[in-house]
Amino acid sequence: KNQVEQSPQSLIILEGKNCTLQCNYTVSPFSNLRWYKQDTGRGPVSLTIMTFSENTKSNGRYTATLDADTKQSSLHITASQLSDSASYICVVSAGTNNNAGNMLTFGGGTRLMVKP
Amino acid sequence: EAGVAQSPRYKIIEKRQSVAFWCNPISGHATLYWYQQILGQGPKLLIQFQNNGVVDDSQLPKDRFSAERLKGVDSTLKIQPAKLEDSAVYLCASSLVVNNSPLHFGNGTRLTVT
Repeated sequence: KNQVEQSPQSLIILEGKNCTLQCNYTVSPFSNLRWYKQDTGRGPVSLTIMTFSENTKSNGRYTATLDADTKQSSLHITASQLSDSASYICVVSAGTNNNAGNMLTFGGGTRLMVKP
Repeated sequence: EAGVAQSPRYKIIEKRQSVAFWCNPISGHATLYWYQQILGQGPKLLIQFQNNGVVDDSQLPKDRFSAERLKGVDSTLKIQPAKLEDSAVYLCASSLVVNNSPLHFGNGTRLTVT
């Protein structure tokens, strides 16, 4: 069964600090891994998408890494801001066809709170 | 570009009543998805359309949920009759039919069943 586990479930950090969120997956065959940011009351917004051959990808202060051998990914947030307070969801796509939706496995998310 | 539009934003109904949600995807996106997100959890796929055909509805509770995308553009999701456990946010998303294409989500409809 395809699964995506995220840790920690929740995290509180002070503004300006860095943090790292973890994602472990058992999805086969692996196609790509995505990180989404979901603000309270809004839909998720894509941060990064990484394929098997990519082991790091950045989007501003967000840097995602992927280790396909250990089936782990991390999302590193640098110099956190109050606006980073949100849920971060790891999503893994399985399969080799073009139907992205029915092969997507969502993690439960990490709820990040950045305090002043 | 305009994003995925959903309405209504909020809906409160009593159990056993019916409710419908509407979604207008990003122009040109052939693939449309409906997700259910219970508080504190990740989204769960209910149904996926490609144009006006159903690709996957294996997790749709078909005894009470139905969805359609008649002209391959906008879509409606209906619940009849609603149960207390249907209280959740219903998210619509759309994407291009290209592998590695990101999903674009609407802001969802928050349903409360009392």
